Amino acid sequence: DAKTTQPNSMESNEEEPVHLPCNHSTISGTDYIHWYRQLPSQGPEYVIHGLTSNVNNRMASLAIAEDRKSSTLILHRATLRDAAVYYCITYSGNTGKLIFGQGTTLQVKP
Amino acid sequence: DSGVTQTPKHLITATGQRVTLRCSPRSGDLSVYWYQQSLDQGLQFLIQYYNGEERAKGNILERFSAQQFPDLHSELNLSSLELGDSALYFCASSVGLDNEQFFGPGTRLTVL
Repeated sequence: DAKTTQPNSMESNEEEPVHLPCNHSTISGTDYIHWYRQLPSQGPEYVIHGLTSNVNNRMASLAIAEDRKSSTLILHRATLRDAAVYYCITYSGNTGKLIFGQGTTLQVKP
Repeated sequence: DSGVTQTPKHLITATGQRVTLRCSPRSGDLSVYWYQQSLDQGLQFLIQYYNGEERAKGNILERFSAQQFPDLHSELNLSSLELGDSALYFCASSVGLDNEQFFGPGTRLTVL
């Protein structure tokens, strides 16, 4: 599983969009990019995943670079409830194991 | 609520003891995963079971073992406990091998 690099922390204002970057320069062609988040005192929660194309769901959007060496998780309108640690994970799918890095701690200011 | 249940919520025990953590996956999920989260190591994958069979192993110590039963619930056994085993232990489940994982609320283990 390829290593991912994320900023340690980011800040956003409530109701503004947030772009959380992730670098995964050693990703292999069949690895998926998964994002999970962990709210305070809770277990991680699945956010979104993709392989090559950009993806949207009710929680967020995932923009994947053409060379797949980086991706960006987009929260369209941050709320206070989105304050969490966001983990970007590359995932081979041969086994189910998720290798978590340090993640990005997102603070949302009212 | 993810649908994954873990018991107990909290566990306090002494060094050298043995404990068992229990996980019930979401209805219909065949895969169960165990993760450990400590302050210094972050979230670490321990082990995965799929339909009763061990599927993948991560950084699981030899003092730790797990199994998945025919009704698909899983247990993580931790023995000869050390202070450093104090952590949050999460169970997750998924439908298959490469689907999104749903995490339980965790068991907080404190070893004194």
